[in-house]
Amino acid sequence: EADIYQTPRYLVIGTGKKITLECSQTMGHDKMYWYQQDPGMELHLIHYSYGVNSTEKGDLSSESTVSRIRTEHFPLTLESARPSHTSQYLCASRRAGRDNSPLHFGNGTRLTVT
Amino acid sequence: AQSVSQHNHHVILSEAASLELGCNYSYGGTVNLFWYVQYPGQHLQLLLKYFSGDPLVKGIKGFEAEFIKSKFSFNLRKPSVQWSDTAEYFCAVTAGNNDMRFGAGTRLTVKP
Repeated sequence: EADIYQTPRYLVIGTGKKITLECSQTMGHDKMYWYQQDPGMELHLIHYSYGVNSTEKGDLSSESTVSRIRTEHFPLTLESARPSHTSQYLCASRRAGRDNSPLHFGNGTRLTVT
Repeated sequence: AQSVSQHNHHVILSEAASLELGCNYSYGGTVNLFWYVQYPGQHLQLLLKYFSGDPLVKGIKGFEAEFIKSKFSFNLRKPSVQWSDTAEYFCAVTAGNNDMRFGAGTRLTVKP
């Protein structure tokens, strides 16, 4: 059972809509991440945060934005969704200070933009 | 460029066959290595990890992996697979101050 929760699990929306994907963790982890996962492709890091009020863009350019107002909460927002945003979005967290600490993943949000 | 490579995209085996999934990375210096598994409809979960000591690490469900520094490899093995091992397997690396990077994944299908 994951200690990191993502909602919604599935989302189908029309082009141009604003959406927010929710992610919360109960482990008190400082580091949180958003990955984009497409079939047969590596997980691409799109955003990360090392703590409250800290957010950075990852390797893969993304039109989404994130915020980190509380340690446990790391939502991702798309201001105007497009079909190219169709993908699976995975949220993850880990303890700070140790490179060997593993990531804990949520169940993911599968987004389809029509 | 720093990368993680998994050369097998899809592996199909019969039950009881032996498994080896390749993982190579291009990071220099000290690395921490991970294998994650994603069963159908479930979240990614840690299978095993290596950060120091014995280069042969054992994980859950009978999996093991061997770190070979000279080959920049961290291959995953299991002597005898089961139908329930059908899943997608991801190799991942952290190095220095870099955050975790993943390979493209290998889909394993085990035929009963």
